[in-house]
Amino acid sequence: GESVGLHLPTLSVQEGDNSIINCAYSNSASDYFIWYKQESGKGPQFIIDIRSNMDKRQGQRVTVLLNKTVKHLSLQIAATQPGDSAVYFCAENTGTDKLIFGTGTRLQVFP
Amino acid sequence: KAGVTQTPRYLIKTRGQQVTLSCSPISGHRSVSWYQQTPGQGLQFLFEYFSETQRNKGNFPGRFSGRQFSNSRSEMNVSTLELGDSALYLCASSLVGQGLEAFFGQGTRLTVV
Repeated sequence: GESVGLHLPTLSVQEGDNSIINCAYSNSASDYFIWYKQESGKGPQFIIDIRSNMDKRQGQRVTVLLNKTVKHLSLQIAATQPGDSAVYFCAENTGTDKLIFGTGTRLQVFP
Repeated sequence: KAGVTQTPRYLIKTRGQQVTLSCSPISGHRSVSWYQQTPGQGLQFLFEYFSETQRNKGNFPGRFSGRQFSNSRSEMNVSTLELGDSALYLCASSLVGQGLEAFFGQGTRLTVV
């Protein structure tokens, strides 16, 4: 996969701990958000999405929180595993036909 | 069911040449979007097709073009290649478009030399 440059924020967590990856979005009109995971050599993998009429959504080991007041999105990963190591992107949609991606956060899980 | 398939996975071209990339969406999906991913610019939207019509286009020069066929498969073409076109080109498939539940393929890594 593609890492997003030398200035990619990195989050390092110990295996078994919870991870929180944050994302600030810019457009208050955005009404749909997606989190993607991208591993080396692969395309972005859909993790979870949320619409703007919700403030929380849970999946398997993942939770997305949306705070529209401060235009902030977070992805929480419970009991982080080595296989969670990847670059995570948030993406927003304003009702058009395109997604606007954040710069990404690299998650490193160490034993 | 099969995911999004992009071909080829890797390409090396020289400046001035043109290239065509292919994307087969998930069965039943009618929307195909294309993105360019580079270390410097991240993921940037190129264009989106739905039922053979281009619905939206990003801020890329006219050298970048695309089309969609009646079976929803899509191609994108880059003419007069420049070194800066080296990137991972990603295709995303969606049932209804508008970025909703967009699933990506593995991408085509294009290197321009």
